[in-house]
Amino acid sequence: EIVLTQSPGTLSLSPGERATLSCRASQSVSSNYLAWYQQKPGQAPRLLIYGASSRATGIPDRFSGSGSGTDFTLTINRLEPDDFAVYYCQQYGSSPLFTFGPGTKVDIK
Amino acid sequence: QPQLQESGPGLVKPSETLSLTCTVSGGSISNSRYYWGWIRQPPGKGLEWIGTIYYTGSTYYNPSLKTRVTISVDTSKNQFSLKLSSVTAADTAVYYCARLEPGEMFFDYWGQGTLVTVSS
Repeated sequence: EIVLTQSPGTLSLSPGERATLSCRASQSVSSNYLAWYQQKPGQAPRLLIYGASSRATGIPDRFSGSGSGTDFTLTINRLEPDDFAVYYCQQYGSSPLFTFGPGTKVDIK
Repeated sequence: QPQLQESGPGLVKPSETLSLTCTVSGGSISNSRYYWGWIRQPPGKGLEWIGTIYYTGSTYYNPSLKTRVTISVDTSKNQFSLKLSSVTAADTAVYYCARLEPGEMFFDYWGQGTLVTVSS
């Protein structure tokens, strides 16, 4: 099983700042099948990034993903009030086919 | 853009079977490009993949739940369903259905989720 670890657990920032979120896998993620989701309270997750670095439809370019192998990063430039949420990474690979990280909460400082 | 909507009982007794249905609108579940899945989230916790189905009926399950899970599809109703047997309080969660894009392996459209509580 590929275990995803996200850090930090909570990131306290102010609007306008840059957020850098980490997702580390216990084994290499094949073909960069790594996605990022944003979840706000009471809402379903929303796809942000797939293939480690491709933005989903309608996602502003303030959101960017990078990384390969076992180390991946989600960067959010110029944080806006709407960006304060929990962010999850998700991988596809060996059994179980899909696993999610525990999440990073980005809250307002 | 497809819309997904979960439906089913919000309260299930311990040892009984949880049954949910996901109705897909704005697109055909028989579209050969996509798969369909169930993901759950216990209150205040993270996301757990339950299983995935193709319109042909091929299924893939999380090994941790495999002995208790059945996912099926009804193309005539544009729906797919989840059954989870022998539930305990640990199965209390918000259950989401979602569309899986199999080329890049991500879930791009999600239902709003439905809370299922296991309690007597």
